[in-house]
Amino acid sequence: DTAVSQTPKYLVTQMGNDKSIKCEQNLGHDTMYWYKQDSKKFLKIMFSYNNKELIINETVPNRFSPKSPDKAHLNLHINSLELGDSAVYFCASSQGRTFAYEQYFGPGTRLTVT
Amino acid sequence: GDSVTQMEGPVTLSEEAFLTINCTYTATGYPSLFWYVQYPGEGLQLLLKATKADDKGSNKGFEATYRKETTSFHLEKGSVQVSDSAVYFCALNTGGFKTIFGAGTRLFVKA
Repeated sequence: DTAVSQTPKYLVTQMGNDKSIKCEQNLGHDTMYWYKQDSKKFLKIMFSYNNKELIINETVPNRFSPKSPDKAHLNLHINSLELGDSAVYFCASSQGRTFAYEQYFGPGTRLTVT
Repeated sequence: GDSVTQMEGPVTLSEEAFLTINCTYTATGYPSLFWYVQYPGEGLQLLLKATKADDKGSNKGFEATYRKETTSFHLEKGSVQVSDSAVYFCALNTGGFKTIFGAGTRLFVKA
């Protein structure tokens, strides 16, 4: 069973389009995250939800909107896609303080904007 | 603010060579420290962790010791294999929801 899954794995789209990435975890974790990884492998946190509540919202354009319908799901919607949005987006989940918020990552979604 | 600095890559080694990837950190309080590994085309996965000073994390032949006096958590392996080729990330968490990652170090191991 896949612990953290994301769909789609690849997403190729044109500038100006709107797209969504879905994430699901079956680990029973309370906290989920979205990260962006650029071509140099630098990992930047974008958002985090704890029990469906937004707790981390880094400096991200408001074209990006996360939604958490329940604790097991965290989706990312991107409006008006730009060339600079091309990256790999990772979903992750974590256990709580007892486990030092150890992160479990999904396989990533490679977004290419042309 | 909290930060993690790790050695720049890429690091290129021959099979069976000794590996060290340096990692130092700046943090308020007493962070937990992690090494994550990312194999080509995959997400990051936890390699090892240490939650208090002098703890040693180990997994798959990799080790790292939490050194509070030098604020370091260097990753070592005695004999690398081609299958260890990956990007390695040092990270810290000070007890909140946010984990701080280093920039990553790419390792190439030649047969």
